Amino acid sequence: GENVEQHPSTLSVQEGDSAVIKCTYSDSASNYFPWYKQELGKRPQLIIDIRSNVGEKKDQRIAVTLNKTAKHFSLHITETQPEDSAVYFCAASLYTGFQKLVFGTGTRLLVSP
Amino acid sequence: DVKVTQSSRYLVKRTGEKVFLECVQDMDHENMFWYRQDPGLGLRLIYFSYDVKMKEKGDIPEGYSVSREKKERFSLILESASTNQTSMYLCASKFSGGSNQPQHFGDGTRLSIL
Repeated sequence: GENVEQHPSTLSVQEGDSAVIKCTYSDSASNYFPWYKQELGKRPQLIIDIRSNVGEKKDQRIAVTLNKTAKHFSLHITETQPEDSAVYFCAASLYTGFQKLVFGTGTRLLVSP
Repeated sequence: DVKVTQSSRYLVKRTGEKVFLECVQDMDHENMFWYRQDPGLGLRLIYFSYDVKMKEKGDIPEGYSVSREKKERFSLILESASTNQTSMYLCASKFSGGSNQPQHFGDGTRLSIL
């Protein structure tokens, strides 16, 4: 089955810096890669996703890149702000009519003012 | 806005008890999911349901069962609770139409088994 590894487990940056979180997956057939953000005590929420037929997707300060050959994908956050502090989870899925996500272990991002 | 409601935020039960965790969504979603979240392990899929009365095992189904009698409600059942089932449980739902539909999560139930 699919296995997703996520690094780093914790990441501390200064406000305004960029942050990069990386994930690798094992099943080359996986074709959908979402990123979820979970603030302390709150529910996970989708922030961006990418399909395997796309190499990069951007939404304001966040972007995701996908390298299918190397089987890794990354989340990039530019101009970080304190409200970006949260746990971020990557996931991978082979969509076959329903979405069975395999999540990474999470990255705790701390943005200091 | 999608609303996924889990019946309890905190629950304390004893070893050997049968435990029911309830999840209700108000968006007529076909797909529903149960995860457990543990520090350092991320979210792991226990069971999912792609429609009423349909269920599929996820990655860690042992010790759990589920029930989906109505479209809006998905129940997770711990048949005989054990201490290693102490965890945060998250329910999610999703519209079935397409791979890029997001899963919408509930606030979670923090379950302690004593």
